[in-house]
Amino acid sequence: AQSVAQPEDQVNVAEGNPLTVKCTYSVSGNPYLFWYVQYPNRGLQFLLKYITGDNLVKGSYGFEAEFNKSQTSFHLKKPSALVSDSALYFCAVRPPASGTYKYIFGTGTRLKVLA
Amino acid sequence: GAVVSQHPSWVICKSGTSVKIECRSLDFQATTMFWYRQFPKQSLMLMATSNEGSKATYEQGVEKDKFLINHASLTLSTLTVTSAHPEDSSFYICSATTGTGRTEAFFGQGTRLTVV
Repeated sequence: AQSVAQPEDQVNVAEGNPLTVKCTYSVSGNPYLFWYVQYPNRGLQFLLKYITGDNLVKGSYGFEAEFNKSQTSFHLKKPSALVSDSALYFCAVRPPASGTYKYIFGTGTRLKVLA
Repeated sequence: GAVVSQHPSWVICKSGTSVKIECRSLDFQATTMFWYRQFPKQSLMLMATSNEGSKATYEQGVEKDKFLINHASLTLSTLTVTSAHPEDSSFYICSATTGTGRTEAFFGQGTRLTVV
């Protein structure tokens, strides 16, 4: 079965330190990969995506993500965390040629940036 | 990014009544819209996929007669929770996308439904 794993329920990091939120996937073919952020009682906001090309993709609010095909991972990173980055982060995968454009979501990782 | 507007943001209704939630793509034509349900501290559960002008495709275990979805135009989809019960209380989120797999989906701000 196809799946997306976010192994950490919560990640704590001090403000100013680099952060990493992990995502691995088990999907056949070359899926499209996405990261979203959710603030309390809000919908999801798109951060970035990997479709093809350079393995390092840059997105909104200073976030970037590195695609690693051999490890089937797509970890979200930021060089210097802000308190305002505290939120719930979702990794999503869209299988290629799925025909339905459905996402497979990870379970989410809560990021807490400490002042 | 593109804007998806979901209305209302929150609603309280009495048990046994029906509630309609609207999802509009404001600046693009959404060939496909999705409806999700999110339980506290959990991921999103896909309820159904709707394409403009056709019947929605429901995920396994989702009651189509209870959660009525209509996608009447390329910019509007509605979810009606019929004969609501307290267990239907949840956070409902819609998303919309254009017709390519490479395009990200854009999400509405969500609707907090409380059935009393």
